[in-house]
Amino acid sequence: QKEVEQNSGPLSVPEGAIASLNCTYSDRGSQSFFWYRQYSGKSPELIMSIYSNGDKEDGRFTAQLNKASQYVSLLIRDSQPSDSATYLCAVKGRTRDSNYQLIWGAGTKLIIKP
Amino acid sequence: DADVTQTPRNRITKTGKRIMLECSQTKGHDRMYWYRQDPGLGLRLIYYSFDVKDINKGEISDGYSVSRQAQAKFSLSLESAIPNQTALYFCATSDIPHNEQFFGPGTRLTVL
Repeated sequence: QKEVEQNSGPLSVPEGAIASLNCTYSDRGSQSFFWYRQYSGKSPELIMSIYSNGDKEDGRFTAQLNKASQYVSLLIRDSQPSDSATYLCAVKGRTRDSNYQLIWGAGTKLIIKP
Repeated sequence: DADVTQTPRNRITKTGKRIMLECSQTKGHDRMYWYRQDPGLGLRLIYYSFDVKDINKGEISDGYSVSRQAQAKFSLSLESAIPNQTALYFCATSDIPHNEQFFGPGTRLTVL
C-alpha cells in the first residue's frame, strides 16, 4: 500500500507568521497532489492542488512540489487564527486493487496563536 | 446550494439496527466515495463507485454495503450496527483526470 506521511503536530505558529506544513509520499508515479483543510467536526475542504514541480500560489497559500524528493508542502503566509485547523495531504496513487485513488495522510493540526 | 448533501446529519441508534446513510450530488461527477473518520484519525475509504455499474470495496468494507441508485445518489448501509461503527461518515465526489474530491457535510453516527 502506498503511503502518505505527515507530522501529526500540533504545529503552533504565532499570528502573522508563516506556517509550513510538509507531506511525503512513497509512490513515485503519483501525479496529482492536494491539500485539504478540516475544521473540527466539519468536512475536508480542498484548498490547493498541484500537478507539476515547483510552486503554486493562491492568495496566502503556496503549495510546493518536489517529485524527485517525493514531498509536497503548504505554506500559509500571514497566518490568522481562522487558519487553525487540521490540514490533510492527499496524493493520487494506485491502491491495492490497481485503481487510482486519493491516498490520505493522517493530517497535521495547526494552531495559530494570537 | 450545497453540491454534495448527506442525510441524516446526526443519528443515534442501537446495536443490531439497520441504518442507511444517503448522499446526493449536483456536481455531475461520475465518481462517488464513502469514508469514515474516527477521532484523531485520518480518512478511511469504505466503498467507492466510478459509475452506476461499478462499485468497489475500500480498505474497511466489512460490515457495510452500498447502493448506487443513480449517477447522483450513493447510499451506505450498516446491516447490523455495532458500537465500533460510531464515527463521522463522509460522502465525496470526484471527476477525472486529477481525482480531486469534494465532500459532503458528514453524518455523525452513534451506535449505542
